[in-house]
Parts: sequence; structure tokens; C-alpha cells
Amino acid sequence: ETGVTQTPRHLVMGMTNKKSLKCEQHLGHNAMYWYKQSAKKPLELMFVYSLEERVENNSVPSRFSPECPNSSHLFLHLHTLQPEDSALYLCASSQDAWGIQPQHFGDGTRLSIL
Amino acid sequence: SQKIEQNSEALNIQEGKTATLTCNYTNYSPAYLQWYRQDPGRGPVFLLLIRENEKEKRKERLKVTFDTTLKQSLFHITASQPADSATYLCALEEGSARQLTFGSGTQLTVLP
Repeated sequence: ETGVTQTPRHLVMGMTNKKSLKCEQHLGHNAMYWYKQSAKKPLELMFVYSLEERVENNSVPSRFSPECPNSSHLFLHLHTLQPEDSALYLCASSQDAWGIQPQHFGDGTRLSIL
Repeated sequence: SQKIEQNSEALNIQEGKTATLTCNYTNYSPAYLQWYRQDPGRGPVFLLLIRENEKEKRKERLKVTFDTTLKQSLFHITASQPADSATYLCALEEGSARQLTFGSGTQLTVLP
């Protein structure tokens, strides 16, 4: 139990579907992150939220839309995805967005685009 | 931007031996470097953090070194066990944003 829960664990969707990934952290952290992990590639940082405000957007296509309604919850809304978007999407949290605190990861959502 | 290289994609060692994994970076020296472990189908788990002014850090059977002259960190697992088999990721801060940049990892297999 890492304190960060992601749902669903697996998701298969067509390119025209709309779906959302959910992340919840029970650690009292102030920062939350979305990462993309593709096979044989490093983790790619997508978005960073600090105290519910987005502080980083790493040139992510607009078909990915994050939402952070409070410091414990983070969503990633998906719309009109491409086959190359198939990957493991990881959520993480840390005490603060800046600094050297370790990040705590969920176990990810395995996304497959048909 | 920072480029991180982890020595090899896969490393096989015999149980009881010391595993040594390498993380090299190319640009400026970060203020700190972190190591994570990732098991198949799971998210990364934080193991150790070492600061630029620390030469070495230990935690149980784990040891990390940080050489800012060589731009390299070494991660050692002594008395390795099959349960240590996993992918190990190094991560360091990236520029003014101070976010973590991860290497692609080294898959370690400890053979019984």
C-alpha cells in the first residue's frame, strides 16, 4: 500500500471515446503529478499540481486534460486519443512540488488505444 | 536538458554477489539524485536520496555514491537476493523547474 490509489488499473478505449483516469492520495501531500511510461522509455512528466494549481505542463497534447479538484484527488481526462498514447499512466504525490522530497507513486493505469 | 544514462538495460548476477548499477548524467550537476525500484505492473518505489555534498549514503544492504566530477552515481546492492530482482531507476532534478527527470532504468535479475 503506497498511499496513492489509481483507478482503473486497466483501460481499453477507442480513439473516439472519452474516459477519465482517477488518482487519490492519502498522505496529506501538497503536490501531485501525472507521468507517462512507455515500454523501454523513461518516465515522462506530463503535469504537476501544487496546492490544486497547475504549475507544470510539459507540452502535453490537449487531448489530455488534467483536473485537480482538491489536494487529494487528481484526474486525467482523455479525449480522441491516438494509438501512440497507449502506455502506463502513473500518478505520484510528494510533500511539496519543489524540492527534494521523494515521490510516492500509484500502481498506474495501463491504457490501450484501439 | 539533462540526459541520463543507466549502464545497461539488463543485468544478471548470482545470488549473494554485489550488484552495481550506474547512472551517468551529461550536463550540470544536480543538487541531489534519487533511486527508485519498480516491479512489473507496479509504480516506482523510492529507495534512497543523495545530495551533491554527500559522497555516500547507506540503507541496510543498499549503498549509493555520488561523484560530481565523474557526473555519476553508483547504486550497490550487497548480498543480493532473488527478491531484489526489479528495475532500478535513477532520477535527478531538471533545471529551474526542479522537477525530477528519470533514467530509463536497469533491469536487475538475481539468479538463485
